[in-house]
Amino acid sequence: EVQLAESGGVVVQPGGSLRLSCAASGFKFDDYTMHWVRQVPGKGLEWVALVSWDGYSTYYADSVRGRFTISRDNNKKSIYLQMNGLKSEDTAFYYCAKDSSGSFFFYLHYWGQGTLVTVSS
Amino acid sequence: QSALTQARSVSGSPGQSVTISCPGPSGNVRGYVYVSWYQQHPGKAPKLIIYDVTKRPSGVPDRFSGSKSGNTASLTISGLQPEDEADYYCCSYAGVSNLDVFDGGTKLTVL
Repeated sequence: EVQLAESGGVVVQPGGSLRLSCAASGFKFDDYTMHWVRQVPGKGLEWVALVSWDGYSTYYADSVRGRFTISRDNNKKSIYLQMNGLKSEDTAFYYCAKDSSGSFFFYLHYWGQGTLVTVSS
Repeated sequence: QSALTQARSVSGSPGQSVTISCPGPSGNVRGYVYVSWYQQHPGKAPKLIIYDVTKRPSGVPDRFSGSKSGNTASLTISGLQPEDEADYYCCSYAGVSNLDVFDGGTKLTVL
């Protein structure tokens, strides 16, 4: 059974940093592109970032580029989101999601349950 | 399309059909557009219900169907059930030059 479990969401002050983690199980992790998607409570989905199967290719939404860094450790079957220079508008639930292959299709077959990041003073 | 786009709403009675539309990526899109649809109940993670425009993952009822005409993708839910009441999101990916892939979502109310 595919499982994705996010962790690391907390309350952080504006300008602060945070690292989210997503632990994967139930599939051959290093065969798949992985994504972070966020959702402001009560609002729509916003794609945040992706990392290729080998970790060499990464892409970001304009709203986070230069502040957030996505990475993965295939030995630990985990992906990460390093978030720097946090702003109030980064407050959201953050989901990790598994693509359908090692390519970029954005067919997100599996999602974690999300972790809440709150940026507030 | 954007998470900042105001969400739309549709409604229908049990047994009826509803169709939700999703304009594709803006600009001069060349090549294939990868379209998927997600269902999200309150307090839950999104769930993939349609991918590659028309395909359904295992376990998704065949009441859910996808189509595409020109640059617009559509999700049709036939024979509405009360449990179909949820938010629905379209995701259209046409290349790394435009990564604003989710629409604003559509809230479906089953009357």
